[in-house]
Amino acid sequence: GENVEQHPSTLSVQEGDSAVIKCTYSDSASNYFPWYKQELGKRPQLIIDIRSNVGEKKDQRIAVTLNKTAKHFSLHITETQPEDSAVYFCAASKGSGGGADGLTFGKGTHLIIQP
Amino acid sequence: DGGITQSPKYLFRKEGQNVTLSCEQNLNHDAMYWYRQDPGQGLRLIYYSQIVNDFQKGDIAEGYSVSREKKESFPLTVTSAQKNPTAFYLCASSISRRSNTGELFFGEGSRLTVL
Repeated sequence: GENVEQHPSTLSVQEGDSAVIKCTYSDSASNYFPWYKQELGKRPQLIIDIRSNVGEKKDQRIAVTLNKTAKHFSLHITETQPEDSAVYFCAASKGSGGGADGLTFGKGTHLIIQP
Repeated sequence: DGGITQSPKYLFRKEGQNVTLSCEQNLNHDAMYWYRQDPGQGLRLIYYSQIVNDFQKGDIAEGYSVSREKKESFPLTVTSAQKNPTAFYLCASSISRRSNTGELFFGEGSRLTVL
């Protein structure tokens, strides 16, 4: 089955700096790569996703890049703010994201924004 | 107000007892899922269901059981056979596998503690 590795497990950055979280996946058939953000005590929420037919996607201060050849994808957050502090999960799947081709999640990265 | 409702938020159980966690959604989603979240372990899939009266095992189904008698409801029973049941349990739903979006919508979770 799919295996998703996520690094680092904890990342501390100064407010205003950029943060990068990296994930690798094992199944070359995977074609959908979402990122979820979980604030302390709250439910995970989708913040951005990318499909294998594109290499990069941006949404304001966040972006995701995908390298299919190397089987890795990354989350980039620029101009970090205190509200970016959370646990971030990457995931991969072969389908649209659910069911038998379900998501396999990484173990999460605790992002800490230092004032 | 549409969404996913999990209950109870906190639950204490004695060893040897079965407990059932409730999950209800009014999003008219076809697919529903149960994940287990442990510190540093990410989200691991227990069971999922793509349609009423049908469900499949996920990666860590041993010691758990589910039912899907109604589209809106997907309860999870943690049985006495689950060796390490203390964890945070998240229920989620998605539109369907036929949809182009794979976004998972999560409930707020249920924290189970075995005494």
